[in-house]
Amino acid sequence: NAGVTQTPKFRVLKTGQSMTLLCAQDMNHEYMYWYRQDPGMGLRLIHYSVGEGTTAKGEVPDGYNVSRLKKQNFLLGLESAAPSQTSVYFCASSRGTSGFPNEQFFGPGTRLTVL
Amino acid sequence: EDKVVQSPLSLVVHEGDTVTLNCSYEVTNFRSLLWYKQEKKAPTFLFMLTSSGIEKKSGRLSSILDKKELFSILNITATQTGDSAIYLCAVDRLEETSGSRLTFGEGTQLTVNP
Repeated sequence: NAGVTQTPKFRVLKTGQSMTLLCAQDMNHEYMYWYRQDPGMGLRLIHYSVGEGTTAKGEVPDGYNVSRLKKQNFLLGLESAAPSQTSVYFCASSRGTSGFPNEQFFGPGTRLTVL
Repeated sequence: EDKVVQSPLSLVVHEGDTVTLNCSYEVTNFRSLLWYKQEKKAPTFLFMLTSSGIEKKSGRLSSILDKKELFSILNITATQTGDSAIYLCAVDRLEETSGSRLTFGEGTQLTVNP
């Protein structure tokens, strides 16, 4: 049981390049989330998904796109990377069943640098 | 706009001290408040609080929620160097059309010196 995994762990991009971050979970969770973490700003929600084939915008969605084609995977795409997207990205998942509190389980993070 | 505010933002103590971390919130459709500990990598879950006035304990850590005054505290007694971490507070709110989501505070950076 690997929990939540993320690939890659590190990446350096040049401005304007594109990339996709992959998140996978093996807990059969309905909900999945992408966050970014910057110094002094806690975790900010980028996009999230409440089920296969559905996505929703979070607090800071601009410059990112997501897809949830399979229940266990949640992809985060950067179409044209900018230095402001230099950050640590965390994926998380939760059961999301209504009536249950929403404890989220986090992946190990991806450190992205955009030059 | 939902808001979660933690204080202090950073704290330096000596081993053996007791610390209290604060979290206040303004969130619509509140469901629960969660505390996470973040060392070098991913946040790890500590507590979830849904009811007012009921203390949750795990070893030297304890937490309580006040839903009337909209805050929570996390206490750590007899601190150890291994308690050094960022402590994150998050509030879970329910959205009608798009499920529930967490709003995080900025975190409190705790450093415990030997």
